[in-house]
Amino acid sequence: GQSLEQPSEVTAVEGAIVQINCTYQTSGFYGLSWYQQHDGGAPTFLSYNALDGLEETGRFSSFLSRSDSYGYLLLQELQMKDSASYFCAVPTSGTYKYIFGTGTRLKVLA
Amino acid sequence: DAGVTQSPTHLIKTRGQHVTLRCSPISGHKSVSWYQQVLGQGPQFIFQYYEKEERGRGNFPDRFSARQFPNYSSELNVNALLLGDSALYLCASSSTGLGANVLTFGAGSRLTVL
Repeated sequence: GQSLEQPSEVTAVEGAIVQINCTYQTSGFYGLSWYQQHDGGAPTFLSYNALDGLEETGRFSSFLSRSDSYGYLLLQELQMKDSASYFCAVPTSGTYKYIFGTGTRLKVLA
Repeated sequence: DAGVTQSPTHLIKTRGQHVTLRCSPISGHKSVSWYQQVLGQGPQFIFQYYEKEERGRGNFPDRFSARQFPNYSSELNVNALLLGDSALYLCASSSTGLGANVLTFGAGSRLTVL
């Protein structure tokens, strides 16, 4: 089967750095995406990694290691507004069908 | 530009009824996908349509059906509603080429089945 595993919850303080890990098992691999979802809101796209390495976009960075079937999202200079759920997701079969992880709830404390 | 729009935003139905949810993609996006999100879980893929053709179907019963219209908007239909169908139904659109890996979600339709 295909699955993605993430920690269920992470807590950090404002200004800190937090890393959210994602390990995946898929029959084929086309890339790893990350989405943010605030309570009551829609998921919003953060990043996509097709190749190994680190991609940086402002305070957020995403890393992929295809040999380890592993990736992570790194959030720096945490702000209260970063409190949300974060999902890793992979497209399957080269289509736009995505499998999402179980989600990591990030709580940022003042 | 308008984002992905979904209607209705909230609805309450009783068991056995049917429901139709509607989605308008971002202008120029020809791919529309439907996802079900139960509270506390990640979105689960239901359908994907591209150029009015079904390109993918998730592990959902035949009570779930969808279609895409010539203007690329889409409908999701669920028949014989069960309590377990209570969820947030999300529609996502995507473009082709470099933008194909970015799903833009609508705000969702929150369905409660009593």
